[in-house]
Amino acid sequence: EPEVTQTPSHQVTQMGQEVILRCVPISNHLYFYWYRQILGQKVEFLVSFYNNEISEKSEIFDDQFSVERPDGSNFTLKIRSTKLEDSAMYFCASSGGDNYGYTFGSGTRLTVV
Amino acid sequence: AQTVTQSQPEMSVQEAETVTLSCTYDTSESDYYLFWYKQPPSRQMILVIRQEAYKQQNATENRFSVNFQKAAKSFSLKISDSQLGDAAMYFCAYRRTAGNKLTFGGGTRVLVKP
Repeated sequence: EPEVTQTPSHQVTQMGQEVILRCVPISNHLYFYWYRQILGQKVEFLVSFYNNEISEKSEIFDDQFSVERPDGSNFTLKIRSTKLEDSAMYFCASSGGDNYGYTFGSGTRLTVV
Repeated sequence: AQTVTQSQPEMSVQEAETVTLSCTYDTSESDYYLFWYKQPPSRQMILVIRQEAYKQQNATENRFSVNFQKAAKSFSLKISDSQLGDAAMYFCAYRRTAGNKLTFGGGTRVLVKP
């Protein structure tokens, strides 16, 4: 069964450093998403990406965040200057645009120290 | 804005018995989709079941079934013949139309007692 692959599985970074979280969505999917889940809390939408541009973003997705699909297969989330409160599980997901749910990756646990 | 509410932070069930998880949502849309996701300790998000709002028939997937009450904006999940592997967080989620974001509830932790 096709999978969404995320790397790394765990990243520890110093506050103020830039991090890039990587995702390889399912190859024939059209819509791509990033969500985050602070430990013990709900899953929150960050951004959706379609046709090589952001289609929607939440208020969490401020100027410190950016997304890119640099080569037609990878889908990246960059956090320019990490804060302690960015510590969370980050999930990438993709969708074929049909009526089915998304396929989620297994997540990247980001720890900012 | 759409909101999804899960009023039960935690539910406990004896192995082989049945447990029902509640979910309510708020929307002004008539066409939308509802989902239940399972998140085991590995924290992977696994789709359990989905329901299209235009379908009156409740969705069923093996031991998992839903009770969809559109007028009441209620979407509960029933887990029958509970197994130890069902222990996880369960999230209810709403999506407007294809391609749109998922809005999640706060989750319900299911504990299964042997």
